[in-house]
Amino acid sequence: EVQLVESGGGLVQPGRSLRLSCAASGFRFDDFVMHWVRQAPGKGLEWISSISWNSGSIVYGDSVKGRFTISRDNAKNSLYLQMNSLRADDTALYYCVKDTAAILPVFNAYYYGMDVWGQGTTVTVS
Amino acid sequence: DIVMTQSPPSLPVTPGEPASISCRSSQSLLHSRGDNYLDWYLQKPGQSPQLLIYLGSNRASGVPDRFSGSGSDTDFTLRISRVEAEDVGVYYCMQALQSPRTFGQGTKLEIK
Repeated sequence: EVQLVESGGGLVQPGRSLRLSCAASGFRFDDFVMHWVRQAPGKGLEWISSISWNSGSIVYGDSVKGRFTISRDNAKNSLYLQMNSLRADDTALYYCVKDTAAILPVFNAYYYGMDVWGQGTTVTVS
Repeated sequence: DIVMTQSPPSLPVTPGEPASISCRSSQSLLHSRGDNYLDWYLQKPGQSPQLLIYLGSNRASGVPDRFSGSGSDTDFTLRISRVEAEDVGVYYCMQALQSPRTFGQGTKLEIK
């Protein structure tokens, strides 16, 4: 079964750090771009970061640039998000998401959408 | 950044009736290779989002054929030919042409 399981969320004070993890199973993790997408309480979806299959291409949204770092360990089938200098507006449910492309930008690859989403891990900054 | 605008924000539908959601982008999502980098996702109540449509008009695996996507350039539409109770939730369009990827604000479909 294809699965993404996030962990590492919790309650943290403003200015502190937190590291999220995402364990992937059921597919060849090192074949695909991976993303973090978040959803603030009662709000819509916000993409925050992407990483290509070999970590050669990494992009961030403006709201997290300079504070968050995405990384992956293909040997461990794991995706990470290091979150520093957390603010109240970082409070959200954080989803780990699998892409169908291997590289960024996706128009240079075969792209069939973001096809697997984890159940999310909640980060509360207060 | 590409701004995605969905309408309507809320969509009450009688079961068995059709439904339509519009999504407009502030820039063309049509790549020179001919694909529109526009996806549709559905977030059912209490669940994670799920992929419905990719590249504007292609149904994802397992998506019922009552769902269809159309459009090109900056104007896109998601249609449900006959709404069922299980279709309730929030529908989002998302552009994948440029970083940052951006979502529409969502359309909440509810059953009358």
